[in-house]
Parts: sequence; C-alpha cells; structure tokens
Amino acid sequence: DADVTQTPRNRITKTGKRIMLECSQTKGHDRMYWYRQDPGLGLRLIYYSFDVKDINKGEISDGYSVSRQAQAKFSLSLESAIPNQTALYFCATRRGRNTEAFFGQGTRLTVV
Amino acid sequence: AQKVTQAQTEISVVEKEDVTLDCVYETRDTTYYLFWYKQPPSGELVFLIRRNSFDEQNEISGRYSWNFQKSTSSFNFTITASQVVDSAVYFCALSEGDSNYQLIWGAGTKLIIKP
Repeated sequence: DADVTQTPRNRITKTGKRIMLECSQTKGHDRMYWYRQDPGLGLRLIYYSFDVKDINKGEISDGYSVSRQAQAKFSLSLESAIPNQTALYFCATRRGRNTEAFFGQGTRLTVV
Repeated sequence: AQKVTQAQTEISVVEKEDVTLDCVYETRDTTYYLFWYKQPPSGELVFLIRRNSFDEQNEISGRYSWNFQKSTSSFNFTITASQVVDSAVYFCALSEGDSNYQLIWGAGTKLIIKP
C-alpha cells in the first residue's frame, strides 16, 4: 500500500459544486501539504499543516479550504468549484523542514 | 527573492545519449537544500536526491549524477546513456529559511528519450 494515499484519483465535477479531496498517510509525519500542478507552472502550494492545530495558507489558497482531521489525514475542499481549478492535485508529507517530500499519486480534477 | 529556474522546457534525445537538465536557483540564505524529482507519464512524483548547501561534492547513482556548484547557483542533473524509461518531467526544488522552508519548485523539464 502507498504511504500517502489520495482519493479520488480522478474526478469530474460541475461548476459550483462542492468537492473534497482526501489524503491519508502512514509515514507518521506531522507536516502535510496540498499542491496544485498546472502544465508549465510546476507545483504551487495551496495549504500546509504542521500538526492538527496548525493550518497555514500557501501561495494560492483562494477558493480552497482544508481540514486536518488527524495527524494522518488532511483533506482539501473546493467550496464552489470553477473551471480554472481544473488541475492535478497532490498531497505530500515531510518529516522535517528540510527533508524531502513524499507525494500521493495525485488527483486529476476536471471542473466543467 | 527565492526562485528556481529550469530554463529547458523540453529536451528530446535519442536513446543512449547523455543528457543534462539544468537547474539554477536564487536564495539569500546560506543554509538551504536542493531536490530533484521525477514525474513519469503515470503522474506520480518520485524523489531522486536531496543536497544541502554545505556539501558541494558531486553525487552519482548509477546512470544519474548531480553537479552542485554554489559559485553559479546551479544544481544540474545528468543522465548517462539515457533509456526510454527515463522519459519524464523532472523538477528541481529549493527549501530554505526565507521561504519558511517551503519547497519552491521549478517549472520542470520534459525529457523525451526516443528509441
């Protein structure tokens, strides 16, 4: 089983719908992240969390919210999806501040 | 400002050729870390290497090698005797204090290895 698991893997949703992307990890890391990947732009940070009580906005948090339900679970919500949120979304964990990130397999989200 | 530049958007070579992917970074911090990741067509992100700013020794792992040069703020990645399975998008990233240790990503280089 993967150390970082994202569900769903693919999703098509309509404009205006609320959608939640879920992430769970078995690595025991406190630090969890949500990134968005668009062609030619690399990865951009949406939100990150250093523990259950610590949630922080990244560079592109507008239109998104998150919930850290437990050390192992970090979910991303789009309250009212819009087409320009169509992207590949990744959840990641890190053991420490300068360590490598471990990524989930990604969620391909299409908003129509 | 912190920044990572991968100027090569796409590189195409024939199998068995050597290929170098460039990564240039900007930071004011003296302690920082650099990373390379591979994203094959299947989409997952695979960690390849982490290097700290105090270790300029080149790293070799099989057909992969990395050349870290602080003087030119570069951390280049070379694949020797490329293979079709090396086809992927490769990302370089930086982690340092001024950015609260968040990973700052380059835009990626798409590498195509033709048989």
